[in-house]
Parts: sequence; structure tokens; C-alpha cells
Amino acid sequence: QQQVKQSPQSLIVQKGGISIINCAYENTAFDYFPWYQQFPGKGPALLIAIRPDVSEKKEGRFTISFNKSAKQFSLHIMDSQPGDSATYFCAWSDTGRRALTFGSGTRLQVQP
Amino acid sequence: EPEVTQTPSHQVTQMGQEVILRCVPISNHLYFYWYRQILGQKVEFLVSFYNNEISEKSEIFDDQFSVERPDGSNFTLKIRSTKLEDSAMYFCASSGVSDTQYFGPGTRLTVL
Repeated sequence: QQQVKQSPQSLIVQKGGISIINCAYENTAFDYFPWYQQFPGKGPALLIAIRPDVSEKKEGRFTISFNKSAKQFSLHIMDSQPGDSATYFCAWSDTGRRALTFGSGTRLQVQP
Repeated sequence: EPEVTQTPSHQVTQMGQEVILRCVPISNHLYFYWYRQILGQKVEFLVSFYNNEISEKSEIFDDQFSVERPDGSNFTLKIRSTKLEDSAMYFCASSGVSDTQYFGPGTRLTVL
């Protein structure tokens, strides 16, 4: 099974700081990369998604950067807020498939 | 805003018993999914369902599992003979023509 390595496992950021979470993948046949946010006891919720033909996508304070040559994609949370404290998962799907495979998750804590 | 709903929120069962987890996907969606998340771990794909048949399934989705869309609104996951290791959060998701998958709040299954 193709793997994606998500890092860091946990992250503590001060309010107003930038949170950066990385995922490195192997399979070049992946064609859809969403990021999900999960609060304790809740289901994952889509934050933002990108396809490999775009190098960057921004929605509000959230930005995905995609480096195809390095096979990496990152989530940047600008001006991090305590309400952003949650677990973040990168995910991906193969070309022609809809099944999502999730990364191992990053627990983000934003300190006031 | 439309959302995926799941019942029950928590199901406790004895090992060897059958359980049925229920989901109501978003009404105009065409694709339906089940995922599970063992406590503290990543979300894992189980099965996807489209046009009244299974379109993809993972290695986890063995003969003990089955899915059904008994009517125009419900989508169910049945586990025939539960094992201790089936204890997890089970998430239903649905998507329309786009790739975005919307997750329900989950059912916590506890097998004793």
C-alpha cells in the first residue's frame, strides 16, 4: 500500500503564529489531496483540497502548497487561533478512485 | 446546510453479535462511504457504494461486513459477528459529482 508520511505528529503554536504541517508521498498516481480537520468526538471536516496541476491554493487563513518534484504537500495556517486546536489529516486518492487514504494526523494546539 | 447524520451515536454490543450502523447521506449525493477510526489512530477507508453496488472496498471490509441502501435515504453498515477489534468510531460519508466527501458525526461501536 502506498504510504504518505505526515509530520509532525504534534505541534504547539502561539496564537498569531504560523502552523505548518507536511505530508510526503510516493505514488505519482495520486491526483486529489484534501486536508481534513477533526475536533474531538466529531467527524473529519474538509478544510481545503488541491490537485497536482496547481502549486498553491489559499482559502482564508489556510493555504496548501504542493511541490510535485519533491512529492510533498503542506498545510499552512496563518494567524493561528486557539479555535484551530484540532487534529489535522492530509489525505489523498488515486487517479480514478474515490476512496480516501488518510495520513497519521497532526495534533495542533494553539496557545493563547 | 445539509449534513450527513448517523445513528446511534454509541452502540455497545457483545462479541459475536450482529450490529447495524445507520446513516442518512446528504440527499442529492450519489456516492456513499464507510470509514472507521480506532481510538487515537488515523481514519481508514472501508467501502464505497455507488449506483446500488460496492464500487471499492479495502482489505478490512471482509465477509463479516456488508452495506445496503434499503431505501432512498438510508445507508447501512452491518457487521455480522462482531469482534473485540471492531471497536472503533465508524464514519459515514457522502459525495456528489465533486470529490468532496462530507463526513457524519460517527457511531462509536464498543464490543465487549
